Amino acid sequence: DQQVKQNSPSLSVQEGRISILNCDYTNSMFDYFLWYKKYPAEGPTFLISISSIKDKNEDGRFTVFLNKSAKHLSLHIVPSQPGDSAVYFCAASDYGGATNKLIFGTGTLLAVQP
Amino acid sequence: DTGVSQDPRHKITKRGQNVTFRCDPISEHNRLYWYRQTLGQGPEFLTYFQNEAQLEKSRLLSDRFSAERPKGSFSTLEIQRTEQGDSAMYLCASSLTRPLLDSPGGEQFFGPGTRLTVL
Repeated sequence: DQQVKQNSPSLSVQEGRISILNCDYTNSMFDYFLWYKKYPAEGPTFLISISSIKDKNEDGRFTVFLNKSAKHLSLHIVPSQPGDSAVYFCAASDYGGATNKLIFGTGTLLAVQP
Repeated sequence: DTGVSQDPRHKITKRGQNVTFRCDPISEHNRLYWYRQTLGQGPEFLTYFQNEAQLEKSRLLSDRFSAERPKGSFSTLEIQRTEQGDSAMYLCASSLTRPLLDSPGGEQFFGPGTRLTVL
């Protein structure tokens, strides 16, 4: 079963506008969430994270929101730039677990149009 | 550059051959992970090391797969008797241990991956 779901395979946004990428999870043990960006033929690049004791974390143009009751998180990118075009993966882990292994969603392909 | 490095970047092999991949983590990171990514999917966890100890293996890791991390530094992942279904991107990641849930750090940083094609 897919414990982390990204239901939008793709998203197209105009340069300068806001990009909103969504992620849902089912495992209530998850308490640490991360977003990664991936270009073709490269490994994922860490963007931003949030722990379950917060509902918002900002880093420059990137903001992650966490709604624990809905088991939902979102990544906002504003303003969007053409260089942001990539696949974005949501990942979750159980901090109390021994390994902190990451469970990934299937990714959302973001295209930012100039 | 002090990021995670992986070697080789690409490997093409024939079915039934053995292959070995190497990962060099960020030097001060005590945790090391291997993941596998196939087309259209996110990375899937394979195995985890804390220092030199292999503490968890996914059920995805069949008996043909073995991983080591001697001396708690670099790691190798070997696949014996490769099958076409082993074709994938193999990713290595490393991290520090984060003492508290909300402490800084502890994020996993990934290498560029090794693309395996089994013919």
